[in-house]
Amino acid sequence: GAVVSQHPSWVICKSGTSVKIECRSLDFQATTMFWYRQFPKQSLMLMATSNEGSKATYEQGVEKDKFLINHASLTLSTLTVTSAHPEDSSFYICSARTIEVRGPKTEAFFGQGTRLTVV
Amino acid sequence: DAKTTQPPSMDCAEGRAANLPCNHSTISGNEYVYWYRQIHSQGPQYIIHGLKNNETNEMASLIITEDRKSSTLILPHATLRDTAVYYCIVRGYNFNKFYFGSGTKLNVKP
Repeated sequence: GAVVSQHPSWVICKSGTSVKIECRSLDFQATTMFWYRQFPKQSLMLMATSNEGSKATYEQGVEKDKFLINHASLTLSTLTVTSAHPEDSSFYICSARTIEVRGPKTEAFFGQGTRLTVV
Repeated sequence: DAKTTQPPSMDCAEGRAANLPCNHSTISGNEYVYWYRQIHSQGPQYIIHGLKNNETNEMASLIITEDRKSSTLILPHATLRDTAVYYCIVRGYNFNKFYFGSGTKLNVKP
């Protein structure tokens, strides 16, 4: 399957600072990328949908000014957690879909996740 | 998207078949059933998907009931590395988003 890479795999930051997480599709072009958050022992929660060249669409209850998403190219999307607080500590996962294929035959490919700890 | 219901956990002996059920009684005609799994602290991994016919690939088989209100993921010979949380997701045709339910924690035991 296609490869989606996230960087960094883990990060520790101080409360009040911002941290950026990158999501790259390594061997395919992705018009759409998705960002999820997962707290311990819970399922993945969709935060936002990122479309190349346009503004991200956020799920209800997700603060768009706190979680800034940029999808500047067909292979890169970034999530910036601004003014991070300890409650933002979580496992953040991105996902991408290929540009060529749409519809039910397309599965989503997931990155390995980024563990964010805010101290 | 239709809501799915899965048992929270299941045990399976190593080498035996693991049968993971999923109920999706409100599924509509153009919605597909997808299965993903998540091994601890990793991103989800695609397993298989189907509409109404049974499907098989190198990882698993997917059995969908005739009324499409439920399905079963079958891992024919479970190994310890198959220990993971398995998610059953229903998604509409050409609809982008995947919404994850609570999943089933499969424990494969020696």
